Amino acid sequence: NAGVTQTPKFQVLKTGQSMTLQCAQDMNHNSMYWYRQDPGMGLRLIYYSASEGTTDKGEVPNGYNVSRLNKREFSLRLESAAPSQTSVYFCASSEARRAPWETQYFGPGTRLLVL
Amino acid sequence: AQSVTQLGSHVSVSEGALVLLRCNYSSSVPPYLFWYVQYPNQGLQLLLKYTTGATLVKGINGFEAEFKKSETSFHLTKPSAHMSDAAEYFCAVGHQGGKLIFGQGTELSVKP
Repeated sequence: NAGVTQTPKFQVLKTGQSMTLQCAQDMNHNSMYWYRQDPGMGLRLIYYSASEGTTDKGEVPNGYNVSRLNKREFSLRLESAAPSQTSVYFCASSEARRAPWETQYFGPGTRLLVL
Repeated sequence: AQSVTQLGSHVSVSEGALVLLRCNYSSSVPPYLFWYVQYPNQGLQLLLKYTTGATLVKGINGFEAEFKKSETSFHLTKPSAHMSDAAEYFCAVGHQGGKLIFGQGTELSVKP
Protein backbone atom coordinates (compact mmCIF):
# COMPACT_ATOMS: atom_id res chain seq x y z
CA ASN A 1 0.00 0.00 0.00
CA ALA A 2 1.27 3.45 -0.94
CA GLY A 3 -0.99 5.08 1.69
CA VAL A 4 -1.61 8.76 0.89
CA THR A 5 0.19 10.18 -2.13
CA GLN A 6 0.43 13.80 -3.21
CA THR A 7 1.57 15.47 -6.41
CA PRO A 8 3.51 17.56 -7.08
CA LYS A 9 6.14 17.54 -4.33
CA PHE A 10 7.21 21.10 -5.03
CA GLN A 11 5.78 23.93 -7.12
CA VAL A 12 6.64 27.55 -7.83
CA LEU A 13 3.86 29.82 -9.05
CA LYS A 14 3.60 33.45 -9.97
CA THR A 15 0.91 35.58 -8.37
CA GLY A 16 -2.37 35.07 -10.20
CA GLN A 17 -1.55 31.68 -11.65
CA SER A 18 -3.75 28.69 -10.92
CA MET A 19 -2.91 25.12 -10.04
CA THR A 20 -4.38 21.93 -8.66
CA LEU A 21 -2.81 19.82 -5.95
CA GLN A 22 -3.62 16.18 -6.27
CA CYS A 23 -4.14 13.65 -3.48
CA ALA A 24 -5.00 9.96 -3.59
CA GLN A 25 -5.33 7.25 -0.96
CA ASP A 26 -5.46 3.50 -1.40
CA MET A 27 -6.76 2.55 2.05
CA ASN A 28 -10.47 2.69 1.14
CA HIS A 29 -10.94 5.55 3.60
CA ASN A 30 -14.12 7.57 3.66
CA SER A 31 -12.84 10.91 4.90
CA MET A 32 -10.15 13.09 3.36
CA TYR A 33 -8.65 16.41 4.43
CA TRP A 34 -6.49 19.25 3.18
CA TYR A 35 -4.28 21.17 5.64
CA ARG A 36 -1.73 23.91 5.28
CA GLN A 37 1.31 24.14 7.53
CA ASP A 38 2.93 27.47 8.31
CA PRO A 39 5.78 28.11 10.78
CA GLY A 40 4.56 28.59 14.33
CA MET A 41 0.94 27.92 13.41
CA GLY A 42 0.73 24.16 13.33
CA LEU A 43 -1.59 22.67 10.73
CA ARG A 44 -4.82 24.39 9.80
CA LEU A 45 -7.67 22.70 8.03
CA ILE A 46 -8.61 24.12 4.64
CA TYR A 47 -11.37 21.75 3.50
CA TYR A 48 -12.46 18.25 4.26
CA SER A 49 -14.69 15.59 2.77
CA ALA A 50 -16.49 13.14 5.03
CA SER A 51 -17.53 10.96 2.13
CA GLU A 52 -17.60 10.84 -1.63
CA GLY A 53 -19.72 13.67 -2.94
CA THR A 54 -19.53 15.89 0.14
CA THR A 55 -17.15 18.68 1.05
CA ASP A 56 -17.05 21.13 3.96
CA LYS A 57 -15.06 24.23 4.76
CA GLY A 58 -12.42 24.15 7.44
CA GLU A 59 -10.70 26.94 9.29
CA VAL A 60 -9.02 28.68 6.32
CA PRO A 61 -10.98 27.99 3.09
CA ASN A 62 -10.69 31.39 1.39
CA GLY A 63 -8.86 31.25 -1.92
CA TYR A 64 -9.25 27.49 -2.33
CA ASN A 65 -11.66 25.05 -3.91
CA VAL A 66 -11.80 21.29 -3.62
CA SER A 67 -13.18 18.34 -5.52
CA ARG A 68 -13.81 14.86 -4.18
CA LEU A 69 -13.51 13.14 -7.52
CA ASN A 70 -14.22 9.66 -6.17
CA LYS A 71 -13.53 7.77 -2.96
CA ARG A 72 -9.78 7.69 -3.64
CA GLU A 73 -9.05 11.22 -4.82
CA PHE A 74 -9.41 14.67 -3.29
CA SER A 75 -7.94 17.66 -5.12
CA LEU A 76 -7.24 21.20 -3.95
CA ARG A 77 -7.35 24.07 -6.43
CA LEU A 78 -5.91 27.55 -6.17
CA GLU A 79 -7.71 29.66 -8.76
CA SER A 80 -5.54 32.77 -8.45
CA ALA A 81 -2.49 32.18 -6.28
CA ALA A 82 -1.33 34.83 -3.82
CA PRO A 83 1.96 35.08 -1.89
CA SER A 84 -0.02 34.42 1.32
CA GLN A 85 -0.68 30.93 -0.01
CA THR A 86 3.01 30.05 0.14
CA SER A 87 2.94 27.08 2.47
CA VAL A 88 3.31 23.34 2.79
CA TYR A 89 0.10 21.52 1.97
CA PHE A 90 -0.79 18.15 3.45
CA CYS A 91 -3.51 15.78 2.47
CA ALA A 92 -4.79 13.25 4.99
CA SER A 93 -7.39 10.51 5.17
CA SER A 94 -9.25 8.56 7.84
CA GLU A 95 -11.44 5.50 7.76
CA ALA A 96 -14.65 6.63 9.38
CA ARG A 97 -17.00 9.46 8.57
CA ARG A 98 -17.08 12.37 10.99
CA ALA A 99 -15.39 10.42 13.79
CA PRO A 100 -13.22 12.66 16.04
CA TRP A 101 -11.41 9.65 17.53
CA GLU A 102 -10.12 8.38 14.21
CA THR A 103 -6.44 8.40 13.27
CA GLN A 104 -5.63 10.49 10.24
CA TYR A 105 -2.96 9.31 7.80
CA PHE A 106 -0.91 11.99 6.11
CA GLY A 107 0.74 12.32 2.74
CA PRO A 108 4.31 13.60 2.29
CA GLY A 109 3.23 17.16 1.51
CA THR A 110 3.48 19.65 -1.34
CA ARG A 111 5.72 22.69 -0.91
CA LEU A 112 4.23 25.68 -2.72
CA LEU A 113 6.02 28.95 -3.30
CA VAL A 114 4.05 31.86 -4.75
CA LEU A 115 6.15 34.73 -6.03
CA ALA B 1 -14.66 25.90 21.05
CA GLN B 2 -11.83 23.44 21.21
CA SER B 3 -8.20 24.53 21.18
CA VAL B 4 -4.73 23.19 21.88
CA THR B 5 -1.73 24.96 23.35
CA GLN B 6 1.78 23.54 23.26
CA LEU B 7 4.15 25.16 25.72
CA GLY B 8 7.51 25.83 24.14
CA SER B 9 8.10 26.01 20.41
CA HIS B 10 11.62 24.58 20.85
CA VAL B 11 12.86 22.04 23.37
CA SER B 12 16.43 20.84 23.54
CA VAL B 13 17.60 17.81 25.53
CA SER B 14 20.76 15.75 25.75
CA GLU B 15 20.84 12.22 24.47
CA GLY B 16 19.69 9.91 27.27
CA ALA B 17 17.78 12.65 29.10
CA LEU B 18 14.05 12.77 29.80
CA VAL B 19 11.87 14.22 27.09
CA LEU B 20 8.84 16.22 28.24
CA LEU B 21 6.66 18.03 25.72
CA ARG B 22 3.70 19.91 27.15
CA CYS B 23 0.19 20.10 25.75
CA ASN B 24 -2.92 21.67 27.24
CA TYR B 25 -6.32 21.56 25.63
CA SER B 26 -9.64 23.28 25.90
CA SER B 27 -12.77 21.30 25.20
CA SER B 28 -16.39 21.46 26.30
CA VAL B 29 -16.86 17.75 25.63
CA PRO B 30 -14.75 14.70 26.55
CA PRO B 31 -11.71 15.11 24.34
CA TYR B 32 -10.02 12.76 21.93
CA LEU B 33 -6.32 13.63 22.08
CA PHE B 34 -3.45 12.86 19.72
CA TRP B 35 0.28 13.28 19.41
CA TYR B 36 1.75 13.27 15.91
CA VAL B 37 5.42 13.44 14.92
CA GLN B 38 6.88 15.01 11.80
CA TYR B 39 10.41 14.13 10.74
CA PRO B 40 12.19 16.58 8.44
CA ASN B 41 10.61 16.86 5.00
CA GLN B 42 8.00 14.22 5.77
CA GLY B 43 4.31 14.06 6.56
CA LEU B 44 2.90 13.53 10.03
CA GLN B 45 2.57 10.12 11.62
CA LEU B 46 0.65 9.11 14.71
CA LEU B 47 2.65 8.59 17.91
CA LEU B 48 -0.27 7.82 20.20
CA LYS B 49 -3.82 8.78 20.99
CA TYR B 50 -6.28 8.86 23.87
CA THR B 51 -9.91 8.03 23.21
CA THR B 52 -11.39 6.42 26.32
CA GLY B 53 -10.28 4.13 29.12
CA ALA B 54 -6.76 4.07 30.56
CA THR B 55 -5.40 7.57 30.96
CA LEU B 56 -1.76 6.54 30.45
CA VAL B 57 -1.29 5.86 26.78
CA LYS B 58 1.75 4.18 25.29
CA GLY B 59 2.84 4.86 21.76
CA ILE B 60 5.56 4.02 19.31
CA ASN B 61 9.30 4.53 19.88
CA GLY B 62 9.00 4.50 23.69
CA PHE B 63 6.78 7.57 23.99
CA GLU B 64 3.84 7.81 26.34
CA ALA B 65 1.34 10.45 27.40
CA GLU B 66 -1.02 10.83 30.31
CA PHE B 67 -4.48 12.35 30.04
CA LYS B 68 -5.18 14.49 33.12
CA LYS B 69 -8.69 15.83 33.01
CA SER B 70 -8.30 18.02 36.10
CA GLU B 71 -5.31 19.77 34.54
CA THR B 72 -6.66 19.65 30.96
CA SER B 73 -3.27 18.31 29.93
CA PHE B 74 -1.86 15.58 27.71
CA HIS B 75 1.91 15.86 28.09
CA LEU B 76 4.22 13.62 26.06
CA THR B 77 7.19 11.93 27.72
CA LYS B 78 10.03 9.57 26.92
CA PRO B 79 12.45 8.43 29.62
CA SER B 80 15.60 8.53 27.51
CA ALA B 81 16.02 10.64 24.38
CA HIS B 82 17.69 9.25 21.28
CA MET B 83 19.20 11.24 18.44
CA SER B 84 16.54 9.81 16.14
CA ASP B 85 13.82 11.52 18.22
CA ALA B 86 14.75 14.92 16.78
CA ALA B 87 11.60 16.06 14.99
CA GLU B 88 8.60 18.33 15.33
CA TYR B 89 5.80 17.13 17.57
CA PHE B 90 2.17 18.17 17.32
CA CYS B 91 -0.57 17.76 19.87
CA ALA B 92 -4.12 17.71 18.52
CA VAL B 93 -7.71 17.35 19.70
CA GLY B 94 -10.38 15.58 17.70
CA HIS B 95 -13.23 17.88 16.86
CA GLN B 96 -16.81 17.16 15.90
CA GLY B 97 -17.15 16.10 12.31
CA GLY B 98 -13.86 14.24 12.45
CA LYS B 99 -11.63 17.30 12.16
CA LEU B 100 -8.35 17.72 14.07
CA ILE B 101 -7.41 20.93 15.85
CA PHE B 102 -3.62 21.14 16.09
CA GLY B 103 -1.32 22.94 18.45
CA GLN B 104 1.44 25.07 17.00
CA GLY B 105 4.07 22.36 17.33
CA THR B 106 7.22 21.81 19.39
CA GLU B 107 10.55 21.21 17.73
CA LEU B 108 12.67 18.75 19.68
CA SER B 109 16.45 18.88 19.35
CA VAL B 110 18.64 16.14 20.82
CA LYS B 111 22.25 16.97 21.63
CA PRO B 112 24.92 14.26 21.64
